[in-house]
Amino acid sequence: GAVVSQHPSWVICKSGTSVKIECRSLDFQATTMFWYRQFPKQSLMLMATSNEGSKATYEQGVEKDKFLINHASLTLSTLTVTSAHPEDSSFYICSATLRGSYEQYFGPGTRLTVT
Amino acid sequence: RKEVEQDPGPFNVPEGATVAFNCTYSNSASQSFFWYRQDCRKEPKLLMSVYSSGNEDGRFTAQLNRASQYISLLIRDSKLSDSATYLCVVNIFGDYKLSFGAGTTVTVRA
Repeated sequence: GAVVSQHPSWVICKSGTSVKIECRSLDFQATTMFWYRQFPKQSLMLMATSNEGSKATYEQGVEKDKFLINHASLTLSTLTVTSAHPEDSSFYICSATLRGSYEQYFGPGTRLTVT
Repeated sequence: RKEVEQDPGPFNVPEGATVAFNCTYSNSASQSFFWYRQDCRKEPKLLMSVYSSGNEDGRFTAQLNRASQYISLLIRDSKLSDSATYLCVVNIFGDYKLSFGAGTTVTVRA
């Protein structure tokens, strides 16, 4: 149990376009979802925390107007990278938690390349 | 200072060897500790939680030293499949957020 999926698994887009990444909890209701970004040889950096039906909480230094997060239901959160630039190229990973649990279940990640 | 710091390695060890490495954390309010494993271009996967008294899971042993604010991971009888990056992860009391170290890379050679 506790499977999280992400779509797409990889995407290449042109500079200036927007990209949407979906994160779904397949067999449980996720009260909280997290979005991370990981650059090569670096740690996962938390970008934002989202709870179903409320606005996401962004970490310091993360532009909320550039990284739009929508947590429309207990099983789906989306991250939209708007007006992507090459420096946004990274590995984006989501995770989800069950109510009352600290354990996070990670999605397989989305590799974004902006050309 | 980073919240979680790890020796990046790499640790190159032969099959069957024992390898151990540490991680330090800066926030004394940290309450939950984990080791995750991350393979190249994949998501992190929980290897084991770390308990105050130390715990073992097969060939893996984790220790916690709250006084010195570090945790350790020891891998016995290394297998080729143990080659990965091991992430030290810490959670602060009352907060659902996790803080990740940058990882320690272990390569087991035949």
